[in-house]
Amino acid sequence: DIQMTQSPSSLSASIGDRVIITCRASHSVSNFLSWYQQKPGTAPKLLIYGASTLQSGVPSRFSGSGSGTDFTLTISSLQSEDFATYYCQQTYGAPRTFGQGTHVDLK
Amino acid sequence: EVQLLESGGGLIQPGGSLRLSCEASGFVFRSYGMSWVRQAPGKGLEWVSGITANGGSPNYLDSVKGRFSISRDNSKSILYLQMNSLRAEDTAVYYCAKNGNFYDTSGYPSWGQGTLVIVSS
Repeated sequence: DIQMTQSPSSLSASIGDRVIITCRASHSVSNFLSWYQQKPGTAPKLLIYGASTLQSGVPSRFSGSGSGTDFTLTISSLQSEDFATYYCQQTYGAPRTFGQGTHVDLK
Repeated sequence: EVQLLESGGGLIQPGGSLRLSCEASGFVFRSYGMSWVRQAPGKGLEWVSGITANGGSPNYLDSVKGRFSISRDNSKSILYLQMNSLRAEDTAVYYCAKNGNFYDTSGYPSWGQGTLVIVSS
């Protein structure tokens, strides 16, 4: 199985901060990497797919980069609605696997 | 508007069976792969199973292989997850998700609200 490791597991940030979350795969997943945002009690929301393609309707302050084994999700200027948990997921190998999540809260 | 409505969750004793359903609307169901993802209380997301648009190539999480079976009825726009020999560790909210394409190489852009499965005596 392909293991996905996110860092950090949690972070505290202020409104307007630039936030970077990393995701590392145990084997290459090419660019078959997606990022999701989840708020408590709600279903996940797709932010990025194909490592860097912004899902329709997602604000442009979110961006993704990387290929192979190393990926990043960047929030260029953190807004109040961005406090949530973020997950990466690979859809290259079976079984599909998620990272353990990165919780972003208010400093 | 895409809508995914899960049902079939509930409290079940260890060793029991449940069938989850996901009724889809608002898109051409037969054109998209579908997936099940679960989330144990207070834990992260865990992919459980996926199926391509035409019902081929089902895949499973190792810990559910041989116990869970994914299927779909494209004539009724319904996705199923048959869960047998349930264990306490299967306790979770189960989400149905629409894939971004025939397979799932474009992520999961739409999700249901989830249905809670509790396995306990």
